Amino acid sequence: QVQLVESGGGLVKPGGSLRLSCAASGFTFSDYYMSWIRQAPGKGLEWVSYISSSGSTIYYADSVKGRFTISRDNAKNSLYLQMNSLRAEDTAVYYCARRLRSDGMDVWGQGTTVTVSS
Amino acid sequence: QPVLTQPPSSSASPGESARLTCTLPSDINVGSYNIYWYQQKPGSPPRYLLYYYSDSDKGQGSGVPSRFSGSKDASANTGILLISGLQSEDEADYYCMIWPSNAGVFGGGTKLTVL
Repeated sequence: QVQLVESGGGLVKPGGSLRLSCAASGFTFSDYYMSWIRQAPGKGLEWVSYISSSGSTIYYADSVKGRFTISRDNAKNSLYLQMNSLRAEDTAVYYCARRLRSDGMDVWGQGTTVTVSS
Repeated sequence: QPVLTQPPSSSASPGESARLTCTLPSDINVGSYNIYWYQQKPGSPPRYLLYYYSDSDKGQGSGVPSRFSGSKDASANTGILLISGLQSEDEADYYCMIWPSNAGVFGGGTKLTVL
């Protein structure tokens, strides 16, 4: 079945780094744009970044620009988010999601939790 | 980035209809954007419900019942999610979203209580 599974979350100190992964299965990963979305504890959804199917087009939210890097490996059916210079306000559940041609995000992973704290 | 305004809470009784709104800032014309709607229940990832641009350009998420529908109120610069025939399982948080200038923007979400 169509599935996305995130991994790589954990506890990290302010200023530290973390790399999240999202493993895709059940569909042709290389056909789809992909996004990262996060949700701080008790808060709403915040879009973080997206990458085109080939990886040639990338956009970031202003809140993470210059600190986060999205990438993908279509041969490994995997999406990544390299997070550097982490701050307390980056604490959240991070979801990866598949983006349709209509721009709706129709498949979501279960999320991975990132906690930035000293 | 623009702010999409959603009422923090809404309530309705089973069998009734719920009308959830998503108001765009005045400098963004709702008529120019697809409005996307997502449902999230506690402890679960969001679920894609639908998008609405116009009556001739809209799309339902896979497996989403037809009692979930979208519309717009241009006079109020607002996107609308209508849930008819409310069921207890519809109790959830609902988020709207747009894609202005290649950056995704979510509303703050509405917690729908089915009384």
